Amino acid sequence: DIVMTQSPDFLSVSLGERATINCKSSQSVLYSSNNKSYVSWYQQKAGQPPKLLINWASSRESGVPDRFSGSGSGTDFTLTITSLQTADVAVYSCQQFYRTPFTFGPGTTVDIK
Amino acid sequence: QVQLQESGPGLVKPSETLSLSCTVAGASFSAYYWSWIRQPAGKGLEWIGRIYISGSTDYNPSLKSRVTMSVDTSKNQFSLKLKSVTAADTAVYYCAREKGAFGGWYHDYWGQGRLVTVSS
Repeated sequence: DIVMTQSPDFLSVSLGERATINCKSSQSVLYSSNNKSYVSWYQQKAGQPPKLLINWASSRESGVPDRFSGSGSGTDFTLTITSLQTADVAVYSCQQFYRTPFTFGPGTTVDIK
Repeated sequence: QVQLQESGPGLVKPSETLSLSCTVAGASFSAYYWSWIRQPAGKGLEWIGRIYISGSTDYNPSLKSRVTMSVDTSKNQFSLKLKSVTAADTAVYYCAREKGAFGGWYHDYWGQGRLVTVSS
C-alpha cells in the first residue's frame, strides 16, 4: 500500500496568517503520461464528512475559496491557506488515488492561535 | 445536487455482520464507482472498497476476506456488508461517489456518515 504521512499533526495560526501543511507519499503518485499527481486534499470540520478542496495536487474544486492552494509533484505535496479565517478551523487530510487501496494521511488539525 | 445518505443499524454485536446501505439522489449510477470509507473516532480515514454499476468490486486487502458490496440500481442504492465484526470495526462509515478523470478516480461527493458501534 502507498503510505501517506503528514506534518505537522497540529497547527495553530493567527487569523489572517498563512498555514502550510505537508504531505508525503511512500512512492511516487505521478502518472508520467499526463504529468499529473493523483493526490487530493480534504477539509473535515467537526461532525461533518470530508469536503474535497484540491485535486491532482493543485487543482482547486469549484466553489473553494482561492486562499486554498495545493502544490507539489511526485512524492511531496503542500496545502497552503494564505489568510486563515475562522471558517478554516478543521482537520485537513491528503489522499492518494493513484492506486488502490486508496490511502489517506492521518490528518493535520488547524486552529486559531 | 448529488446527495448520498447512509442507513442501517448503529449497534452491532461482536462476531455479527454489519450491514449498511447508501441511497443516492441526483446522480446516475452509470460511469461512477461507489465507495465505502470509514473513520474510527479521532483517527484517519480508511478506504474499504468500491463497486461499479456492473457489479465489479475492488476491496481493500486488509478487509477483503470480510467485505461484500452490492448495488441495486432500481433503488438507487449500494450496500456494504462486513462480517465477523469486532470492537476495532467501530467507526463512522461514509459512502462516497468516485468520479473518473485522467485515468484516476477521486471522491467528489460524500454522505453524512453513519456511526456504527460494535458492542454486546
